[in-house]
Amino acid sequence: GEDVEQSLFLSVREGDSSVINCTYTDSSSTYLYWYKQEPGAGLQLLTYIFSNMDMKQDQRLTVLLNKKDKHLSLRIADTQTGDSAIYFCAENPSSNTGKLIFGQGTTLQVKP
Amino acid sequence: EAGVVQSPRYKIIEKKQPVAFWCNPISGHNTLYWYLQNLGQGPELLIRYENEEAVDDSQLPKDRFSAERLKGVDSTLKIQPAELGDSAVYLCASSPRAGGNGELFFGEGSRLTVL
Repeated sequence: GEDVEQSLFLSVREGDSSVINCTYTDSSSTYLYWYKQEPGAGLQLLTYIFSNMDMKQDQRLTVLLNKKDKHLSLRIADTQTGDSAIYFCAENPSSNTGKLIFGQGTTLQVKP
Repeated sequence: EAGVVQSPRYKIIEKKQPVAFWCNPISGHNTLYWYLQNLGQGPELLIRYENEEAVDDSQLPKDRFSAERLKGVDSTLKIQPAELGDSAVYLCASSPRAGGNGELFFGEGSRLTVL
């Protein structure tokens, strides 16, 4: 079945790099996503990667995709206190429906 | 451009009472989603609309939940009667069309507490 797994919590110091990991099950997913949720807010798309890529960089964000191991990671360089939030990994196993399968979210705590 | 608007933001009711949530998607977005987010979990799809048609409601508990999207714009999600286990955040999202890169635009959610 479809399942996305993430570690629940990560704590880093301001200025360090953060790496959030995710594993997924459906190899047919065309896109894989990272969403960010701040307290009391809805989810906001941070970045996504097409399944035929193994890396995507966008300013401080780097996404790595290992299709063989079905492993996705999000690296945030120079982590800031404003990056404190919950980060959700998601897969899109039925590309033409927009139905996303989300992980349970990783809470990132950034200490000053 | 206005984002996805949901109301109410917070609702507290007693069990067995009815409750309704409203969503106004981003203008021009044909696809609308209702997701359920339990505490400490990721969102789970309840129902997806393409214009006014519910094209995926397989996860909607139809004995007590109903939804509609009249005229293919705004949508309402109703629970009647509410149970204690329905306490959660109900998220509405929209996208220009199904497919594409799959980006969903979420509202801030409606937090339901059932006492």
